Amino acid sequence: DAGVIQSPRHEVTEMGQEVTLRCKPISGHNSLFWYRQTMMRGLELLIYFNNNVPIDDSGMPEDRFSAKMPNASFSTLKIQPSEPRDSAVYFCASSLVSRTSGNTIYFGEGSWLTVV
Amino acid sequence: KQEVTQIPAALSVPEGENLVLNCSFTDSAIYNLQWFRQDPGKGLTSLLLIQSSQREQTSGRLNASLDKSSGRSTLYIAASQPGDSATYLCAAARYSGNTPLVFGKGTRLSVIA
Repeated sequence: DAGVIQSPRHEVTEMGQEVTLRCKPISGHNSLFWYRQTMMRGLELLIYFNNNVPIDDSGMPEDRFSAKMPNASFSTLKIQPSEPRDSAVYFCASSLVSRTSGNTIYFGEGSWLTVV
Repeated sequence: KQEVTQIPAALSVPEGENLVLNCSFTDSAIYNLQWFRQDPGKGLTSLLLIQSSQREQTSGRLNASLDKSSGRSTLYIAASQPGDSATYLCAAARYSGNTPLVFGKGTRLSVIA
């Protein structure tokens, strides 16, 4: 399996521009998570989906952030407009919950965002 | 609200030394606890997962323990090697099923040859 695939890996954008981060979870996984990692705050959950349905978006910083999961194999995280304080690494992760697998989670390589 | 703390934030040891990384959590009602490794510029790789009913898990030179009553977990690394240098994060799952993990900020380990 290719694992969780994120794109772009690196993005540098100007303040005010729209940023779209993409994620393809592992095939068959039924949960998808978006995390943000910074030096100051560590890894923070932004939003997660179960069976393509958003369950908890309380970690989304503000209305500038939005996330969608139109189908089981694709999710996007959008920032509009972007600000310098949004600079961080954004991780997508997926998991399959079952009686045997528990909830082992698999992370993508991250999208490194710099807003200047 | 669950909070996960890892101490120390950074650790440097000579090659061959045995070491322990610490993790504490405020809410003992966890479903499981996981230890991850993160290399620079990379994502997280799961090392060990301890269910709430278990006391420890072992994989090769790694041993993770869990004490729910005291809100603590440790990751023991035996005979450390330079290749073990990375950031180690622990994370607690709140409930059963597919719920998010709450992460500590990690311990950055350097093993000096």
